[in-house]
Amino acid sequence: GESVGLHLPTLSVQEGDNSIINCAYSNSASDYFIWYKQESGKGPQFIIDIRSNMDKRQGQRVTVLLNKTVKHLSLQIAATQPGDSAVYFCAENRQAGTALIFGKGTTLSVSS
Amino acid sequence: NAGVTQTPKFQVLKTGQSMTLQCAQDMNHNSMYWYRQDPGMGLRLIYYSASEGTTDKGEVPNGYNVSRLNKREFSLRLESAAPSQTSVYFCASTRRLTGIGEKLFFGSGTQLSVL
Repeated sequence: GESVGLHLPTLSVQEGDNSIINCAYSNSASDYFIWYKQESGKGPQFIIDIRSNMDKRQGQRVTVLLNKTVKHLSLQIAATQPGDSAVYFCAENRQAGTALIFGKGTTLSVSS
Repeated sequence: NAGVTQTPKFQVLKTGQSMTLQCAQDMNHNSMYWYRQDPGMGLRLIYYSASEGTTDKGEVPNGYNVSRLNKREFSLRLESAAPSQTSVYFCASTRRLTGIGEKLFFGSGTQLSVL
């Protein structure tokens, strides 16, 4: 089946701007979604997650929005900083007891 | 507390050679995973182990074998390396097989080149 995907492979923003990274998923039965951040030369690190019974979840400077109607997930980063430059992956849990499936990733570049 | 440790960090192989990538976690997690990461392809699941003594195929298992040696260790073996297996390999773990609330913890990766 089609894997989780992202709308744009790259995103460039200015320091201080808000960033929005999008992700589309194909399985309407997916019940859990996670965003990961991967800095150069490192493994992915957890940022924020959301369950399918929620529409929005906020963390520190990050917000995840889930639109189940159109099967769309987004990650919003407020006041983007150079340290936010990384590759961002969304992942979905398609079926209880199975492994997460990852999207292709969006590279965020933040310029000063 | 090291988390997930992978060795080696870098490896160059010739086509046809074999090698084993090692992974260990010290978080007492039950489930462990091997992913490969290729440019423009994101992370793809090779094999996973829901618990000690069990292993299952992921999206791209061909050319690989795994061993869940004990609760801590999960190794990935390439019996006869091919250039198509040039990639960055990540090991990860979770308390239990991924479901609501389960977050993957990743190692720092092994960069493998097959010439």
